[in-house]
Parts: sequence; structure tokens; C-alpha cells
Amino acid sequence: IQMTQSPSSLSASVGDRVTITCRASQGISNFLAWFQQKPGKAPKSLIYSASTLQSGVPSKFSGSGSGTDFTLTISSLQPEDFATYYCQQYYTYPITFGQGTRLEIK
Amino acid sequence: VQLVESGGGVVQPGGSLRLSCEGSGLTFSSYGMHWVRQAPGKGLEWVAFIRYDGSDKYYADSVKGRFTISRDNSKNTLYLQMHSLRAEDTAEYYCAKTYGSGSRIDFWGQGTLVTVSS
Repeated sequence: IQMTQSPSSLSASVGDRVTITCRASQGISNFLAWFQQKPGKAPKSLIYSASTLQSGVPSKFSGSGSGTDFTLTISSLQPEDFATYYCQQYYTYPITFGQGTRLEIK
Repeated sequence: VQLVESGGGVVQPGGSLRLSCEGSGLTFSSYGMHWVRQAPGKGLEWVAFIRYDGSDKYYADSVKGRFTISRDNSKNTLYLQMHSLRAEDTAEYYCAKTYGSGSRIDFWGQGTLVTVSS
């Protein structure tokens, strides 16, 4: 299953609200996760089952979607939110990731 | 919870290497485990998965037949045995645990770097 994220990169300002889209090449129900990765660091789990926040993740992050189309929304951007975000399907093996969306400060 | 990878380094093309991932602060034998890699400047690539009891294993096509995932629950340790290494295997290798016995990742180790170069 191919996962396609858009956009590949995004510039935004502190305080903005942004949305990242992830599309699966076939239906994956809600077996979709989102990860955040900062430079030189390991990824961090944000969301699973398309819309459920991992414990400890602030509510400024939200996810939605089912089937083939999914979104990650981040509200009120803060400096620590600027990172690369990946979607991942775990519906079937081989597990696949999107190519990533780099969120940069404008 | 901690997952600590080790075993990375520089290896020549065609060579072998074994990575380890030791878990602490968790009941290691209750969780499935993944290996995920990231080539320099590139995105995340899933490599392999092993079920909590070792009964099922899955591999990416890019490593099938060359890499073997295994675990020793008595040592709280996950392994990735890598053979016939290629330049394109150069990457940071992360181990990651699942939530429960399923396949969803909920926690990552810090990674170990493998460089395949002559």
C-alpha cells in the first residue's frame, strides 16, 4: 500500500493552524498513525487509529479520516512543533510510511 | 520505558552486522517489535516485525532473504541480523515497540547508525 503525503513541505508562522494530508493507495480502514520527528531525534508517536491521541500528546494535534483519505491538523503552532511529520499505515504488511511533510517556520 | 539499540558501525559491502535492541522498564515479552530505518536525509522505511512470542515475522521486500529479525525474551533483547549488506542499507536503524501484541508502534528507541562503505 502506497502512502502519499501532501504537501512535502510547508511554511507557517507561530500561531497558525496547518493541515497535512495523507492518502492511501487502497482502503486501510482507520489503521493510520502519525509521527513527529525533529532533526537528529527518533520519531515520536502522535496519533493512532487515525484520530486517537497518544498519551501525553497535546490536544492541539488532531487527526481524522478513514478508508483512503486522512488529515493531521496542528493548531496554534509553537516553535517546538516545527518538525517533519509522517503518516504510516499498519493495516497490512509490509507496513508503509508516507514520504514526510517538513513543517518550517515562515 | 527504554529501548537502547547497539551494534551499528561501518561495514564493507557484502559484509554482515547484527543489531541489538535492549528493552527496560517494560514487560518485553508482551510486545511485538519492529525495526525501522532512515537513510541519511531521507524518510522512514519499515524493515521488519516480530510478534511478541516470535511466532510471526514479516519483512520489507528490500531486505527479505538478507535480514533476519529475532528476539530473546529472557534477555529482553531484539535482534536484526544483516547479511549481504549494500550501500543502500546505510541508515539509522530504530527499534520500536508495539502497543500490546498488535502491530501499532507506540514507542521508539534512539537508533544506531549503520554505514556500508568500502
